Amino acid sequence: AQTVTQSQPEMSVQEAETVTLSCTYDTSESNYYLFWYKQPPSRQMILVIRQEAYKQQNATENRFSVNFQKAAKSFSLKISDSQLGDTAMYFCAFMKAPVNYGQNFVFGPGTRLSVLP
Amino acid sequence: DAGVTQSPTHLIKTRGQQVTLRCSPKSGHDTVSWYQQALGQGPQFIFQYYEEEERQRGNFPDRFSGHQFPNYSSELNVNALLLGDSALYLCASSLMGGGYGYTFGSGTRLTVV
Repeated sequence: AQTVTQSQPEMSVQEAETVTLSCTYDTSESNYYLFWYKQPPSRQMILVIRQEAYKQQNATENRFSVNFQKAAKSFSLKISDSQLGDTAMYFCAFMKAPVNYGQNFVFGPGTRLSVLP
Repeated sequence: DAGVTQSPTHLIKTRGQQVTLRCSPKSGHDTVSWYQQALGQGPQFIFQYYEEEERQRGNFPDRFSGHQFPNYSSELNVNALLLGDSALYLCASSLMGGGYGYTFGSGTRLTVV
């Protein structure tokens, strides 16, 4: 079974600063995907970024980037130039490959991020 | 482009009662997964429906059951409600074999009193 751990229940950052959210996972699978999802007060889970485990290059999406360390089973999210709209719960998630052939997400417990003006 | 629609938005039920939650998937999607998110926790996988059959199930008792209709919409039924069933229930739709592309709804907040 897979497990996902997020050791920071809450974090805060000043607007325009950079923050890093941590995630570790445990799996015996060799091929899988990792995700960061954002859940604002609207409750809808919104994809921030995803990483295929077979790719060594870290994924980036505008202000969001990840540090994927496969051997250490670590998958941190860096948010640069933080904006007030980034305030939300952030969930790290794991999915076995291939995606979308009956797989399901395994989510971590989440990190509540507050961006302060 | 309609996303995932869940109804109702909020619901209050009494212990021992039964509840039905509904989900309409995003247009073009054929697979529906249900997740339970207790307060302050991450979502937990309940089950997944494809071609009107339950394809996968998480670690939930058989009080939790579901159904998928020919139009791909889905229902989640919970019998003999317990206080611990109070949670946000999220529906996610996708296209089987369609590569990455999951869309989540905004959930149904169930409170059991």
